[in-house]
Amino acid sequence: ETGVTQSPTHLIKTRGQQVTLRCSSQSGHNTVSWYQQALGQGPQFIFQYYREEENGRGNFPPRFSGLQFPNYSSELNVNALELDDSALYLCASRPGSNRSNYGYTFGSGTRLTVV
Amino acid sequence: SQQGEEDPQALSIQEGENATMNCSYKTSINNLQWYRQNSGRGLVHLILIRSNEREKHSGRLRVTLDTSKKSSSLLITASRAADTASYFCATDVLNTGNQFYFGTGTSLTVIP
Repeated sequence: ETGVTQSPTHLIKTRGQQVTLRCSSQSGHNTVSWYQQALGQGPQFIFQYYREEENGRGNFPPRFSGLQFPNYSSELNVNALELDDSALYLCASRPGSNRSNYGYTFGSGTRLTVV
Repeated sequence: SQQGEEDPQALSIQEGENATMNCSYKTSINNLQWYRQNSGRGLVHLILIRSNEREKHSGRLRVTLDTSKKSSSLLITASRAADTASYFCATDVLNTGNQFYFGTGTSLTVIP
């Protein structure tokens, strides 16, 4: 098992710019979710992908978008960055069908700073 | 918005003591899970309890679930300095395609 890997680990962007964060899921995992974690807070659910289709979304605006590829790797795109988008972005994957009882394997996250 | 809320927000104990954290949530669930996070890194899955289970053990961890009160507790027995971390409950909310929502977390400090 290689676990979940995220890139880059740290990133600094200017307000108004666009950013793409990448995630490589653990082998055999077909479900991936993205979370935003502000300092001192719990992770907030952004969206989930299952077999390349978005099947759930949290309370985030459309400028947060994503993709899941056939190899189950994933991207999170954020357009028109705002200062409040500064956070740790976590990717998590798990195996199984849509109704499985599995825990998530998390990556170490991408620390995004918007200035 | 957070689905769950942990209590207490912060907990400080001596090594060897037991630590208890509580989680309350708002809606019906498939299962509830506990995760640990060290210093702003990725989360590590600790234990999962299904909605039809009331108690589960894993090593020094004991989890209880009361779906009528929409609450859960995590007990860490014989704590060690290495247990120092933030602990989050996550609810797999019913009828959302297994979307997980995290609580606000309990920051545990174990003093050697």
